[in-house]
Amino acid sequence: QQPVQSPQAVILREGEDAVINCSSSKALYSVHWYRQKHGEAPVFLMILLKGGEQKGHDKISASFNEKKQQSSLYLTASQLSYSGTYFCGTALIQGAQKLVFGQGTRLTINP
Amino acid sequence: GAGVSQSPRYKVTKRGQDVALRCDPISGHVSLYWYRQALGQGPEFLTYFNYEAQQDKSGLPNDRFSAERPEGSISTLTIQRTEQRDSAMYRCASSFLRAGVSEQYFGPGTRLTVT
Repeated sequence: QQPVQSPQAVILREGEDAVINCSSSKALYSVHWYRQKHGEAPVFLMILLKGGEQKGHDKISASFNEKKQQSSLYLTASQLSYSGTYFCGTALIQGAQKLVFGQGTRLTINP
Repeated sequence: GAGVSQSPRYKVTKRGQDVALRCDPISGHVSLYWYRQALGQGPEFLTYFNYEAQQDKSGLPNDRFSAERPEGSISTLTIQRTEQRDSAMYRCASSFLRAGVSEQYFGPGTRLTVT
């Protein structure tokens, strides 16, 4: 079952904040976040595990709400380099290597 | 170090022909994954290997698709009797650990066009 991402697209000015959500109808074990720039390969951002802590580096962080089976990616004080399409990939059980990716959220940062 | 490489980067083939897409993972990476990605969509899982063993091929669309990784390194995804609907970007990814909690490194992909 493919996770659902929201919003589908968002346009921001540099310095503004954004939140991207990834929801599943099934219980999740882990959520993986990737960013893909146009014409390039997806690049890993972070993994969140069931029962784990909120993670982050620089001004990008994420959380995992087990009750809602939802993960949220937070981009604070966005930079032009944050532009791209963000994908969440989900795994249902511990040790599962198969990821099911959402349809993506396109983020555009304008000067 | 070198990342994941794929060849060819672009492949145009006629309907009915067979194609072989190659993936060379990062050296030492245990796991190798194949995805298909339509324009504007997320990667769609096809299959994956741990070492040379194919662990899950549930995402392969039909029996025209097959994959192998005979020596636990380079992998080949083969599509027989190609059809126009097979046109897509095919991406390979590898990860160091076998567990599902390690990051995957994606390759540049092979853009397949079936005419």
